[in-house]
Amino acid sequence: DVKVTQSSRYLVKRTGEKVFLECVQDMDHENMFWYRQDPGLGLRLIYFSYDVKMKEKGDIPEGYSVSREKKERFSLILESASTNQTSMYLCASSFDGGIITDTQYFGPGTRLTVL
Amino acid sequence: GNSVTQMEGPVTLSEEAFLTINCTYTATGYPSLFWYVQYPGEGLQLLLKATKADDKGSNKGFEATYRKETTSFHLEKGSVQVSDSAVYFCALSRRGSGNTGKLIFGQGTTLQVKP
Repeated sequence: DVKVTQSSRYLVKRTGEKVFLECVQDMDHENMFWYRQDPGLGLRLIYFSYDVKMKEKGDIPEGYSVSREKKERFSLILESASTNQTSMYLCASSFDGGIITDTQYFGPGTRLTVL
Repeated sequence: GNSVTQMEGPVTLSEEAFLTINCTYTATGYPSLFWYVQYPGEGLQLLLKATKADDKGSNKGFEATYRKETTSFHLEKGSVQVSDSAVYFCALSRRGSGNTGKLIFGQGTTLQVKP
């Protein structure tokens, strides 16, 4: 079974802090994704990566950055956390089969609260 | 642009009732369509998918048919169980860099099944 793990289930940070969210997958997937989930808005893509050190902005990248130094690990960084970044953050990974039907596998999520 | 619209929730049903969750999409080209399910406290997992017009995806008693003429992918189940209580997300895929399949999600529909 594919396993995607996230470093924390719950996180509380203060405004202005630098925040790191870590994601690890164990299936040698090329693609990794970071989403945020908000009520009534579904999931929105923040950033994704299709190879080590490669990244591309998603739909809502402002206020975020990412790092992918190893194939299995994809980090989301909030440079200076703000209250409007309070949300559920979901990481996902997928195999690069060269087609767009590939299933994405999700981690359990990190609920971040910024005070 | 590409978008997905789901019916408003929450949907509350009695056990063994028939379920329909409506999903319509707007897309250029021929996207693949997905239903994901999120059980309480967990990440998303793929429920079913369809990759071309008139395809029917099915899993665990759930079905959805890719209708290009009505741009719809409605989720149905003949007899729901309490264990089906969850949030259901409709999604479509679009191609990103490196041929990565990126997903666009609807806002999610909460289903509550009562005994």
